[in-house]
Amino acid sequence: EIVMTQSPATLSVSPGERATLSCRASQSVSSNLAWYQQKPGQAPRLLIHGASNRATGIPARFSGSGSGTEFTLTISSLQSEDFAVFYCQQYNNWPGTFGQGTKVEIK
Amino acid sequence: EVQMVESGGGLVQPGGSLRLSCSASGFTFSGYSMHWVRQAPGKGLECVSAITHNGGSTYYADSVKGRFTISRDNSKNTLYLQVSSLRPEDTAVYYCAASGALYGADGYWGQGTLVTVSS
Repeated sequence: EIVMTQSPATLSVSPGERATLSCRASQSVSSNLAWYQQKPGQAPRLLIHGASNRATGIPARFSGSGSGTEFTLTISSLQSEDFAVFYCQQYNNWPGTFGQGTKVEIK
Repeated sequence: EVQMVESGGGLVQPGGSLRLSCSASGFTFSGYSMHWVRQAPGKGLECVSAITHNGGSTYYADSVKGRFTISRDNSKNTLYLQVSSLRPEDTAVYYCAASGALYGADGYWGQGTLVTVSS
């Protein structure tokens, strides 16, 4: 099973600032990497697939990069509605494993 | 509009069984791989089972293998998860999710159904 490790666990950011979240895979997952946002009491929402492709309806301030084992999600200018927990998931191999999450909170 | 509605969750004793259902609409259900993803209270996400678009192949996490069975009825646009020999550690919200990819990257999600395993 591929282990996904996210850092940091918590990120404190002021509205309007840039946020950079990291995700590392224990072995190469090519570009089969997705990012999700989850707010309390809600299902996850797909933000990025294929490491860098925004899902339908996702604002351009969300961008993903990386391949192989190192990936980054960048939120260019945090809006109030962006504060949430973010998960990465590799879907190159079964099971499609998730990172433990990064909580982005208001500074 | 895409809708996915899970049902069948509830309180069950250890060793018990449930059948979870997920009714989908608003997209071509038969064209998507489907997943059951669970989230224990206050914890992260775990993909426990997957099924190909035509039901020809199924996949299970080691934590549920031999106890859970995934299936689908494309004529009814419905996904199922038969959960048996339940353990307290199976307590979670169970989400159904849909993707064009076999192992994840789910663009469509239901609202989840809570399974609580307790005596």
